[in-house]
Amino acid sequence: NAGVTQTPKFQVLKTGQSMTLQCAQDMNHEYMSWYRQDPGMGLRLIHYSVGAGITDQGEVPNGYNVSRSTTEDFPLRLLSAAPSQTSVYFCASSRDRGSHEQYFGPGTRLTVT
Amino acid sequence: AQSVTQPDIHITVSEGASLELRCNYSYGATPYLFWYVQSPGQGLQLLLKYFSGDTLVQGIKGFEAEFKRSQSSFNLRKPSVHWSDAAEYFCAVFKAAGNKLTFGGGTRVLVKP
Repeated sequence: NAGVTQTPKFQVLKTGQSMTLQCAQDMNHEYMSWYRQDPGMGLRLIHYSVGAGITDQGEVPNGYNVSRSTTEDFPLRLLSAAPSQTSVYFCASSRDRGSHEQYFGPGTRLTVT
Repeated sequence: AQSVTQPDIHITVSEGASLELRCNYSYGATPYLFWYVQSPGQGLQLLLKYFSGDTLVQGIKGFEAEFKRSQSSFNLRKPSVHWSDAAEYFCAVFKAAGNKLTFGGGTRVLVKP
């Protein structure tokens, strides 16, 4: 198993540009989540999904969209990038509602200039 | 509301010395608690978790943590630190609604030779 994979590893955007961060897992996990990591703030939940076709907002959803058309994939879209979205983004997945344990991808470092 | 506090932002420890990282949580129900480690440029790896039962839990890489309900704490310990333990450590509390992990701000551990 590859586990949770994320692409790209690094990305630089100009303010106002849009892009999609890719996340895929091959563990047949129901739950998938997106977090952003900023110094001193730990990880904060952006959006999550409890299964294909179902998504919901986390703590900091503004400026981001998600969709879950398949169990495997959970892309995160930045609609119009802003410097405040400069961060490291992590995707995570967990087996099911009772599992609690999340598996994290390697992260995408995004810089918005 | 729930929160997780890691009071120490940085800790420097000599190789071979013991290490203790503090974590305090505020959560209304029985907590599910986790410690994750993040090596430089990497994603998060689960060190250990507490759901119920024995309040002293063993994890990977020689780490252990003790849950103390009376102190709302879940401190991480290692008897003898190795240079490879230099990393950032995150404490997290699981919230069942939304399959959400709430993270502390992290503690960066530096290991002196």
